[in-house]
Amino acid sequence: EIVLTQSPDFQSVTPKEKVTITCRASQSIGSSLHWYQQKPYQSPKLLIKYASQSMSGVPSRFSGSGSGTDFTLTINSLEAEDAAAYYCHQSSSLPVTFGQGTRLEIK
Amino acid sequence: QVQLVESGGGVVQPGRSLRLSCAASGFSFSSYGMHWVRQAPGKGLEWVAVISYDGSNKHYADSVKGRFTTSRDNSKNTLYLQMDSLRPEDTGVYYCAKDTRGLLGAFDYWGQGTLVTVSS
Repeated sequence: EIVLTQSPDFQSVTPKEKVTITCRASQSIGSSLHWYQQKPYQSPKLLIKYASQSMSGVPSRFSGSGSGTDFTLTINSLEAEDAAAYYCHQSSSLPVTFGQGTRLEIK
Repeated sequence: QVQLVESGGGVVQPGRSLRLSCAASGFSFSSYGMHWVRQAPGKGLEWVAVISYDGSNKHYADSVKGRFTTSRDNSKNTLYLQMDSLRPEDTGVYYCAKDTRGLLGAFDYWGQGTLVTVSS
């Protein structure tokens, strides 16, 4: 099973700040890495697929990069509405797995 | 628009069974793999199971293998999760999710979730 480790687990940030969340895979997964946003009491929402492909309707301040074992989700100029938990997910092999999540709090 | 609506959750005693349903609309259901993902209270996401577009291929997380069975009825655009021998650690919100490909893609649409509580 491929283990995904996100960092940090929690971050408290101010609006307009730049945020970087990393996801490290226990073995190479190519670009089969996806990012989701989950706001309280809501279902997860796909933000970025295959490491860097932004989903339609997702604000341009969200971007993804990386390949192999190291991946990054970047949020430029954070907004209050970005308060949420963020999860990475690998679909390189079964069982697919998720990172433990990163919770963003807006100060 | 794409909609996934789960149902069937509830409170059940340990060792009992429950069947979840996920009604799909707004896309060609019979063309895509479908997944079940669960989330224990206050915890992260855990993948549970996947079924191929035609139901011929299924895979499960080790934590549910032998106890849970997923199936689909493409004539009814509905996905199912039969959960037997339920344990307290199976408690959580269960989501169905659409795969962007077959079995190994991103999950581009999710249902609202249905809560399963296993408790005596």
